[in-house]
Amino acid sequence: NAGVTQTPKFQVLKTGQSMTLQCAQDMNHEYMSWYRQDPGMGLRLIHYSVGAGITDQGEVPNGYNVSRSTTEDFPLRLLSAAPSQTSVYFCASSSLFGRTDTQYFGPGTRLTVL
Amino acid sequence: GQQVMQIPQYQHVQEGEDFTTYCNSSTTLSNIQWYKQRPGGHPVFLIQLVKSGEVKKQKRLTFQFGEAKKNSSLHITATQTTDVGTYFCAGPWGKLQFGAGTQVVVTP
Repeated sequence: NAGVTQTPKFQVLKTGQSMTLQCAQDMNHEYMSWYRQDPGMGLRLIHYSVGAGITDQGEVPNGYNVSRSTTEDFPLRLLSAAPSQTSVYFCASSSLFGRTDTQYFGPGTRLTVL
Repeated sequence: GQQVMQIPQYQHVQEGEDFTTYCNSSTTLSNIQWYKQRPGGHPVFLIQLVKSGEVKKQKRLTFQFGEAKKNSSLHITATQTTDVGTYFCAGPWGKLQFGAGTQVVVTP
């Protein structure tokens, strides 16, 4: 199992550009989520999903869109990048049944917006 | 809204010493989780606590959930260089709110 994978690892954008951060998991997990981590801070929840076709907002959703068309994939779209979105983005997944507490994180995408 | 606070922000420990990091929530939590993040790495799940007053141990790590389910602690005994990293508490599962973390530096 590859676990949770994220692409790209690094990305530099100009203000106003759009892009999609990819996240995939091969553990058949129902729950997937996106976080951002700024220097010296904890992670903040952007969006999450409890299954295909179901998404909801987290703590800091503005400027980001998500969709969940399959169980495996949960892409995060930046509509019009701003310097305030410079951050490290982590995707995570966990099961909603059985052992539900363990959340697996991907390696992260480091995004810089100029 | 809910706030999760951790103290201390930084913890310098000599190898072999014990230390404790604390987590406080402004609201009662149904459960609380702890994560470890190594420098340049991603968070790794350590444990989840659910019951009031619950204590769980993982080798040299002892986790406790407060009676009122508004605070938690992580105690590490005989610190090793492998304990270096930032420890985060977060809760509740499903819509996690993370504390800012305790960054642990271990000097040999």
